[in-house]
Amino acid sequence: KAGVTQTPRYLIKTRGQQVTLSCSPISGHRSVSWYQQTPGQGLQFLFEYFSETQRNKGNFPGRFSGRQFSNSRSEMNVSTLELGDSALYLCASSLALTGPYEQYFGPGTRLTVT
Amino acid sequence: AQSVTQPDIHITVSEGASLELRCNYSYGATPYLFWYVQSPGQGLQLLLKYFSGDTLVQGIKGFEAEFKRSQSSFNLRKPSVHWSDAAEYFCAVLVGGYGNKLVFGAGTILRVKS
Repeated sequence: KAGVTQTPRYLIKTRGQQVTLSCSPISGHRSVSWYQQTPGQGLQFLFEYFSETQRNKGNFPGRFSGRQFSNSRSEMNVSTLELGDSALYLCASSLALTGPYEQYFGPGTRLTVT
Repeated sequence: AQSVTQPDIHITVSEGASLELRCNYSYGATPYLFWYVQSPGQGLQLLLKYFSGDTLVQGIKGFEAEFKRSQSSFNLRKPSVHWSDAAEYFCAVLVGGYGNKLVFGAGTILRVKS
């Protein structure tokens, strides 16, 4: 089974621009979660989508948003980029039917804001 | 609030020596616990998980972890470390009950001496 894929792998943007990252979950997985990883703050949860609905949200400003499509693919968008948004953005997918399930991570998108 | 503490930022062990990485969690409900490993520039790979049952769980690559509720710990062990084990290791707890949100520790960087 193919793993979680994320595109693009690398991005360079300028302050004030917006960016869209894409995530394709493992086939059959309906939950997609997004995390931000930075040297200073570590791994932080952004949000989770399940069946096209946001089910959980972390403590990030409204500039960070996401959505999920009917095929479970997900996108996250960051508007009005700031230097501090430079990070590795990781997507994870999970079966997430009932009860706890493990999450499987993609390789990440490395975003650099200049 | 839910939290995960990994007291050791860096650990260096000799190849062939045993390894123990420490993890303590703070979570009021039944903890669902994970260990992930990350190689430089890569995503997170799931090593093992604890949901319930036997408190000693086996994972991939020869790793195991023991859940100790009385100590709120979930330490990762390996009897004989290989040079390829050099990476960063993250302990995480699944929180929220409904939905998938992982809270991660700050990570432990493992260096292996030959």
